[in-house]
Amino acid sequence: QQPVQSPQAVILREGEDAVINCSSSKALYSVHWYRQKHGEAPVFLMILLKGGEQKGHDKISASFNEKKQQSSLYLTASQLSYSGTYFCGTGTNAGKSTFGDGTTLTVKP
Amino acid sequence: DAGVIQSPRHEVTEMGQEVTLRCKPISGHNSLFWYRQTMMRGLELLIYFNNNVPIDDSGMPEDRFSAKMPNASFSTLKIQPSEPRDSAVYFCASSLGLAPYEQYFGPGTRLTVT
Repeated sequence: QQPVQSPQAVILREGEDAVINCSSSKALYSVHWYRQKHGEAPVFLMILLKGGEQKGHDKISASFNEKKQQSSLYLTASQLSYSGTYFCGTGTNAGKSTFGDGTTLTVKP
Repeated sequence: DAGVIQSPRHEVTEMGQEVTLRCKPISGHNSLFWYRQTMMRGLELLIYFNNNVPIDDSGMPEDRFSAKMPNASFSTLKIQPSEPRDSAVYFCASSLGLAPYEQYFGPGTRLTVT
């Protein structure tokens, strides 16, 4: 089942914060986040497995709620390099991945 | 270390022709995934392998599509015959194993069928 991402698009100024959400109607085994720049391949950001888990590096972090039905990606003090399309992917314990439609983030100077 | 290698990077072919896309996963990775990306349908998982064995091919759109992984360092995705609606970017990704390992994507093959 495809996860639902929101919002579809975000426009920010440098230094502003953004939150991207990914939700499912049923509990997920895992959720993973990728960023894809135009004309390039998706690049892995992080994966979350446990309900209530939070992870992050640099100024990008993510959380997985207790029921494992929603994950959020937090981008703090955004930089121009953060621009791109962010995908959440939900995984099963058999390795199958299903990706959301993506959220396009544009950071302007 | 080399990442996932895909060839060709661009392919333009006429409807009805056979198309073969190639992928070399990262050495040591035992899982390989084929995706298709279009504006209309987003990023779709077509098929994935673990230890060279196809695990789930439910995403393969039609019998015109087939994929093989004859050994740990090579996989092919074949479309025969190709149709204009097959035009898309096809990505290959590899990982250390099935979930919950991260996937490393290749640069993709942009296929145009005229």
